[in-house]
Amino acid sequence: DSGVTQTPKHLITATGQRVTLRCSPRSGDLSVYWYQQSLDQGLQFLIQYYNGEERAKGNILERFSAQQFPDLHSELNLSSLELGDSALYFCASSLEESPGEKLFFGSGTQLSVL
Amino acid sequence: AQSVAQPEDQVNVAEGNPLTVKCTYSVSGNPYLFWYVQYPNRGLQFLLKYITGDNLVKGSYGFEAEFNKSQTSFHLKKPSALVSDSALYFCAVRAVWGGDYKLSFGAGTTVTVRA
Repeated sequence: DSGVTQTPKHLITATGQRVTLRCSPRSGDLSVYWYQQSLDQGLQFLIQYYNGEERAKGNILERFSAQQFPDLHSELNLSSLELGDSALYFCASSLEESPGEKLFFGSGTQLSVL
Repeated sequence: AQSVAQPEDQVNVAEGNPLTVKCTYSVSGNPYLFWYVQYPNRGLQFLLKYITGDNLVKGSYGFEAEFNKSQTSFHLKKPSALVSDSALYFCAVRAVWGGDYKLSFGAGTTVTVRA
């Protein structure tokens, strides 16, 4: 168990809808990362937060947004969903934001857009 | 921009044989290099990392990796593979200074160890 909790584990929704994925980092970790894993795109970095502030942005669509709250949990909001958004979404955390730190990954949220 | 290449989609080995998973990288300046493993229906787990120092890095579950700066490679190795090593392996790179701050992953290599 990595100590990173993601909810829900599975999410089935329809095109055009909006969903929120939640991540609780390991106790004490200040940095949260979101990744999208799909068969055709592989593991894509979406966004990183550190202690409530956005630190780095990757291939995140404008329809997607995220935030990190004062209690350090994070939410990834996906709106106007398309079939191509179906993927496994991972959250990861680390104690600090040093580039040498290892990340601890949650088990992911499997999103299916029908 | 930084990138990682894992040239083999799949690696198949017999139990007890040596296992090698290849990785090459491209990054501005010096790299931080990582290997992660993903078992079915699980998140990624950290195996090992190279930051500086000895080019041979030892990690979890008997795995090791060798950093080769001239060849920009960071191959993962295990002297004697186990059936339980069957999983998806990811190489990742992060710039030490400048460039992209994000951790970039390769496409992954599926390792199958047959009994």
